[in-house]
Amino acid sequence: NAGVTQTPKFQVLKTGQSMTLQCAQDMNHEYMSWYRQDPGMGLRLIHYSVGAGITDQGEVPNGYNVSRSTTEDFPLRLLSAAPSQTSVYFCASSGNLYNEQFFGPGTRLTVL
Amino acid sequence: GQQLNQSPQSMFIQEGEDVSMNCTSSSIFNTWLWYKQDPGEGPVLLIALYKAGELTSNGRLTAQFGITRKDSFLNISASIPSDVGIYFCAGQLRDSGGGADGLTFGKGTHLIIQP
Repeated sequence: NAGVTQTPKFQVLKTGQSMTLQCAQDMNHEYMSWYRQDPGMGLRLIHYSVGAGITDQGEVPNGYNVSRSTTEDFPLRLLSAAPSQTSVYFCASSGNLYNEQFFGPGTRLTVL
Repeated sequence: GQQLNQSPQSMFIQEGEDVSMNCTSSSIFNTWLWYKQDPGEGPVLLIALYKAGELTSNGRLTAQFGITRKDSFLNISASIPSDVGIYFCAGQLRDSGGGADGLTFGKGTHLIIQP
């Protein structure tokens, strides 16, 4: 099993550009989530999904969209990148909402 | 939203020393998790706690779920160089009706081991 994979590992965007961060898991996990990690802030929940076709907002959802068309994939879309979205983004998955979550290696995003 | 206070923010210790860190919350959690993050990597789960009062060990690591369900601690015995990293606590309210049903993370404890 590859576990949770994320692409790209690094990305630089200009303000106003859009892009999609990819996340995939091969563990047949129902629950997937996206977090952002900023210095001194810990990890904060952006969006999560409890299964294919179901998504919900977390603590900091503004400026991000998600969809869950398959169990395996949970892409995160930045609609119009802003410098405040410069961060490290982590995707995580678990067997269900209440199990421990497994994290991907992260995507480091810089918005100029 | 829920707030987790994790302390200390950083620790400078000698190899071989024991380490203790804790998290407190203003809200009740049903699950407490402890993660370790190495530079450039995602957090890796160390210990998961599901019951108030539960004490769980994983090698040199021991964690407890506070009886009030508002706190947890992590102890590391006889620290070694590879223990260096950032340790995060995370809590989850299992039966929340809405809002942020993911994990709420503390801000981390930076563990630095001096030779």
